[in-house]
Amino acid sequence: NAGVTQTPKFQVLKTGQSMTLQCAQDMNHEYMSWYRQDPGMGLRLIHYSVGAGITDQGEVPNGYNVSRSTTEDFPLRLLSAAPSQTSVYFCASSYSLGQGVYNEQFFGPGTRLTVL
Amino acid sequence: GNSVTQMEGPVTLSEEAFLTINCTYTATGYPSLFWYVQYPGEGLQLLLKATKADDKGSNKGFEATYRKETTSFHLEKGSVQVSDSAVYFCALTPPSGGGADGLTFGKGTHLIIQP
Repeated sequence: NAGVTQTPKFQVLKTGQSMTLQCAQDMNHEYMSWYRQDPGMGLRLIHYSVGAGITDQGEVPNGYNVSRSTTEDFPLRLLSAAPSQTSVYFCASSYSLGQGVYNEQFFGPGTRLTVL
Repeated sequence: GNSVTQMEGPVTLSEEAFLTINCTYTATGYPSLFWYVQYPGEGLQLLLKATKADDKGSNKGFEATYRKETTSFHLEKGSVQVSDSAVYFCALTPPSGGGADGLTFGKGTHLIIQP
């Protein structure tokens, strides 16, 4: 199993450009999520999904869109990049323990994004 | 809401020293507790976890005990190595019935081990 994969590893954008960060997992996990990591802030949840066709907002959703058309993929879209979105982005997945309870999350290697 | 507080560091120790990284949390009920480790340039890896009060998680010589009475989950290791240099994150998921809100993380503790 490859686990959780993310592409690209690095990306530089200009303000106003759009792009999609890709995330895929091969563990058949129902739950997938996106975090951003900023110095001194830890990790903050952007969006999450509990299954195909279902997404919801996390702590810092503004400026980002997501969709979940398959169990395996959960792309994150930046519609109009801003310097404040310079960060390291991590995708994660998890499995259900039943009754809507999820446990440990498995993380991808991250995408380092710089917006100029 | 839920929150996690941990010492931020950097924490600098000599090889073979004893390590403690404090972590306390705020949550209703009984959350699941985790320690994740991030090596330079990599993603987060689960180090250990505990899902109920008084559980002890352990892995690679690291240990942490879920203390409900003090709402703590301190990370310890008896003898650290240079290879343990990394950033350590304490995290929780909500108690049963939750979890879809993702993990709540502390801000991370940067650990530096000197030879």
